[in-house]
Amino acid sequence: EAQVTQNPRYLITVTGKKLTVTCSQNMNHEYMSWYRQDPGLGLRQIYYSMNVEVTDKGDVPEGYKVSRKEKRNFPLILESPSPNQTSLYFCASNRGQGTEAFFGQGTRLTVV
Amino acid sequence: AQTVTQSQPEMSVQEAETVTLSCTYDTSESDYYLFWYKQPPSRQMILVIRQEAYKQQNATENRFSVNFQKAAKSFSLKISDSQLGDAAMYFCAYRGGSQGNLIFGKGTKLSVKP
Repeated sequence: EAQVTQNPRYLITVTGKKLTVTCSQNMNHEYMSWYRQDPGLGLRQIYYSMNVEVTDKGDVPEGYKVSRKEKRNFPLILESPSPNQTSLYFCASNRGQGTEAFFGQGTRLTVV
Repeated sequence: AQTVTQSQPEMSVQEAETVTLSCTYDTSESDYYLFWYKQPPSRQMILVIRQEAYKQQNATENRFSVNFQKAAKSFSLKISDSQLGDAAMYFCAYRGGSQGNLIFGKGTKLSVKP
């Protein structure tokens, strides 16, 4: 089954404790992205990648890191999480620039 | 910079009736793509419909259709014969032809009354 898999689905952590949210897709898509969703703000892009070893900042990259060492994986790293990073996070992948994005199930992150 | 605006934070429709969700966008590009995504309470993001800017014909998918007005930069979603399962948050999204990023509106929460 074609899918984008994120882990974990839920995470509660403390301020400053490094964490990684994993994302994997099995569709051989070139493009992968991370978004955060906050009430009243819609989804905002954090980082995206157009291919292996190619990443670029989205609209809200501060406080986040990503890497794309393999085509299928695109982890999101929070080196020192802060409470304002409490949000719902989505990973997405798509085949080409104009094609639809397939989304993971979402990760609900709470930073206390 | 491109922006997407959904001016209706909430909408309500009676079951079996028709509802239209509005979306406008701002861009200087001529080549781009527009999408409507549905997010039910399960929070999964589901593609509803997709439109290429170079196509004049409005996209349709069963009960879902769009009214794409390129000159007005408008991309509204019409849901016909509304069903209880249509209740969800709906997001309009834009992707430029040369861009990797997908820009979303803030969403419209649709309620369906039985």
